[in-house]
Amino acid sequence: KQEVTQIPAALSVPEGENLVLNCSFTDSAIYNLQWFRQDPGKGLTSLLLIQSSQREQTSGRLNASLDKSSGRSTLYIAASQPGDSATYLCAGTQGGSEKLVFGKGTKLTVNP
Amino acid sequence: GAGVSQSPSNKVTEKGKDVELRCDPISGHTALYWYRQRLGQGLEFLIYFQGNSAPDKSGLPSDRFSAERTGESVSTLTIQRTQQEDSAVYLCASSLGGYWNTGELFFGEGSRLTVL
Repeated sequence: KQEVTQIPAALSVPEGENLVLNCSFTDSAIYNLQWFRQDPGKGLTSLLLIQSSQREQTSGRLNASLDKSSGRSTLYIAASQPGDSATYLCAGTQGGSEKLVFGKGTKLTVNP
Repeated sequence: GAGVSQSPSNKVTEKGKDVELRCDPISGHTALYWYRQRLGQGLEFLIYFQGNSAPDKSGLPSDRFSAERTGESVSTLTIQRTQQEDSAVYLCASSLGGYWNTGELFFGEGSRLTVL
C-alpha cells in the first residue's frame, strides 16, 4: 500500500529565505506526482505536475523534482514571501491505480 | 464552468439524517474523484469515476456512503444515516482523461459537513 510522508510537518521561515519541502513514497513506482497548496478553509490548488516521462517541473519561484529510484520528491521555493504561507501537499499514484495518495502536508509560515 | 464547483459549501445536520453533496466538474473532464479530509488529517480517497467505466469505489468507508455520476457531468455523494465521525470536508476533483493520461487534478472548494 502506497504511503506518503512529508517532512517537515511544519516550517516557519523569515521572508526571503529559500526553502525545501520533502515528500517520500513507500512504493517508488510512482507514475505521476503532483504538488498542491491548500489555504485554510479552502480547496487544493495545483502547483506542479511531474508526469511519468519527466523528472522536474518549474513554475515561477517553484521547482519540483522527482527521484523515481528512491521515491522522493522535493519542492523548492525561492525567495519566499508571506503569501506563500499555506499547507503544501504532495500526491502520487498508487501502483497501477488511478487513485492519488496524499501526504499529510507541510504547513509553511513565512514571516514578514 | 471555469472550475470545479461544489455545493453546499457548508452543511450542518443531525445525526441519523441523510445528506447529499454535489460536484460539478470542469466541462470536458472525464475523470472525477471524491476525497474526504477530516480535521488535521490528510486526504482520504473515496471514489473515482472515469467516463462510462465502472467506478472505483474501494475507498468508500461503509455502505452508508454512495456516489453517482451520470456520464461526464455532475456527481452526487450521498451519506445515509450520518454519524458524528462523518464530519469532514468532502473534496471533489476532476481531470482531463484521468490521472494516467494528462494527469493534473483540479479541486473544488469542498463541502464542509458537520454532524451534530
